[in-house]
Amino acid sequence: KAGVTQTPRYLIKTRGQQVTLSCSPISGHRSVSWYQQTPGQGLQFLFEYFSETQRNKGNFPGRFSGRQFSNSRSEMNVSTLELGDSALYLCASSLELQGGGETQYFGPGTRLLVL
Amino acid sequence: AQSVTQLGSHVSVSEGALVLLRCNYSSSVPPYLFWYVQYPNQGLQLLLKYTTGATLVKGINGFEAEFKKSETSFHLTKPSAHMSDAAEYFCAVSPYSGAGSYQLTFGKGTKLSVIP
Repeated sequence: KAGVTQTPRYLIKTRGQQVTLSCSPISGHRSVSWYQQTPGQGLQFLFEYFSETQRNKGNFPGRFSGRQFSNSRSEMNVSTLELGDSALYLCASSLELQGGGETQYFGPGTRLLVL
Repeated sequence: AQSVTQLGSHVSVSEGALVLLRCNYSSSVPPYLFWYVQYPNQGLQLLLKYTTGATLVKGINGFEAEFKKSETSFHLTKPSAHMSDAAEYFCAVSPYSGAGSYQLTFGKGTKLSVIP
């Protein structure tokens, strides 16, 4: 079974540009969550999508947006990039199990460097 | 509002010794609690989680954690450390809004070193 795939793995952008990151969840998983990981702020929740709808959103500015497609693949977009957006962006896919419980798997992340 | 405090950014234990990683949380609603592990150059992996029911939760790789409401704690333990346990561990809390939906707030992480 293929794991969570994130593309690209590495990205270099300059301030003011925009970027789109992609996440393909495990087949059958309908929930996709995005996280930002930086040395200073640690791991922070960005947003979660389920069946093409945003279910939860963290405390990030409107420059950060996302969407989910009918095949559960998700994209995250950051507009007007700032130096502080340099981070590892992680995607996780989840599946709620019958009878309770849940499985969750993270992708390897996309490392974004803003110059 | 919710927050997580992990006591000790670095913890060192000898191989075979008890592993104890501390996590305290605050939450305005009954929390769901998680422990994640991040091995060097690898992605995050869910170790275990507490949702409802039994307060002692067993996870993968021999780890377990106990939810203590009175102490607002969810400490992670393992009876005997292995070299392969060296990693960074993150505690997280989430309110639960149904149907497997979580909004995680993470602690700063604890790096575990295992000394041969």
